[in-house]
Parts: sequence; structure tokens; C-alpha cells
Amino acid sequence: DVKVTQSSRYLVKRTGEKVFLECVQDMDHENMFWYRQDPGLGLRLIYFSYDVKMKEKGDIPEGYSVSREKKERFSLILESASTNQTSMYLCASSLGGGASPYEQYFGPGTRLTVT
Amino acid sequence: GQNIDQPTEMTATEGAIVQINCTYQTSGFNGLFWYQQHAGEAPTFLSYNVLDGLEEKGRFSSFLSRSKGYSYLLLKELQMKDSASYLCASTTNTNAGKSTFGDGTTLTVKP
Repeated sequence: DVKVTQSSRYLVKRTGEKVFLECVQDMDHENMFWYRQDPGLGLRLIYFSYDVKMKEKGDIPEGYSVSREKKERFSLILESASTNQTSMYLCASSLGGGASPYEQYFGPGTRLTVT
Repeated sequence: GQNIDQPTEMTATEGAIVQINCTYQTSGFNGLFWYQQHAGEAPTFLSYNVLDGLEEKGRFSSFLSRSKGYSYLLLKELQMKDSASYLCASTTNTNAGKSTFGDGTTLTVKP
């Protein structure tokens, strides 16, 4: 069965802390994604990776960075957490490499609160 | 761009049929996904349309008109468990891996 896991379901951090959100997929997918989901704003793409060590900015990359050292793992880093980064963070993965897109498989999400 | 528009909320009765519409910008359009998201859970894939027409999958069907930049998700024989948010997402020719999501339509099914 397809599985995307995220390191924490709930996380509380203080303003200015460096925060790591980890995502692991066991499907050998090429593509991995980080989104944040906020009420009224939908699902917004932060960063996208289509291969190991490859990354591409999404729609809202400011204040975030990512790391993909291994195919199965994609990390989201908040360099200096701020209260406006309080949100639900969702990781996803999909097959890649073709002209046609593939459906994304989502992890359970991490609800991050920055105080 | 790939601006996506869908209604914010809809309400329907158990056993009925509901149609959730989605419009998108056609420039560079490749295909369109529908996902279902129950409250507090992750989105799950429902359907994908790349050609014009209707794709049927049990109680759920999805329709696409490429020339009109329009899609809809049709849910038949509604059940209480269909209460969820339904997300429309489009992809482009320039980067088939990425999707741009709409804000979602929250469907409430009432007895």
C-alpha cells in the first residue's frame, strides 16, 4: 500500500526557531512536494523536487528551504519560524518523468503552531 | 497563470445528485485532477481528465471541456460520508509534475 509519512502530526515552536519537517515516501516516486493549507487560501505549493538534489520554487517559497538528499526523503526547513508560518503543512509525492502528470499521494499533514 | 475557481460551499441531501464546477485558465493547460479531502485528513485522488468528455467511476464522474476551461465533478446517490472538501487541480504543459489547486468546495450532505 502506498505510503507517505510525515515526522509529526502536531508541532509547537517559538518565533525565531529553526524548524525541520520531514517527509518520507515508500513508493520510489521521483516527484515530491511541500504545500501549506490555510482556511480560505487552499493548498499552496512551497517547493517541488523532481529528483534527488533537485528543487524548484513553488508559489510561496519565501522563508522556507528544502533538502532532498535521498529519493525517499524530502525535508522542509523554516530557517527562522514566524507566527505567519502557523499552518497545516502537507507533503505529497508522485511518479514523474513523463509528459503526463500523475496523481499525488499525500501525507497526513503536520499542524505547526509558531508562538 | 492557472487561476482556479470553484464554489466555496455547497449543500445537498442524502440520495441526491450534486455537481461541483471548476473553471481554470486554459493557457498551457494539460490536464485536470479532482481530489477529496475529509476534515482533518489528507487529500486523496478521485479522477484525472485530459481529454474532453465524461469519465465515470462508480458514483463519481468527472467532465472536462478544454475549449471552455471548465470541469465538473458529479456525485450521484449522495451518502453522508461524501461530506468533504473537493479540490480541483490543473497541470500545465511546461511542467507536468506540478498541479495548481483551487481553494476547494466544502460539500455538506444532509439527511
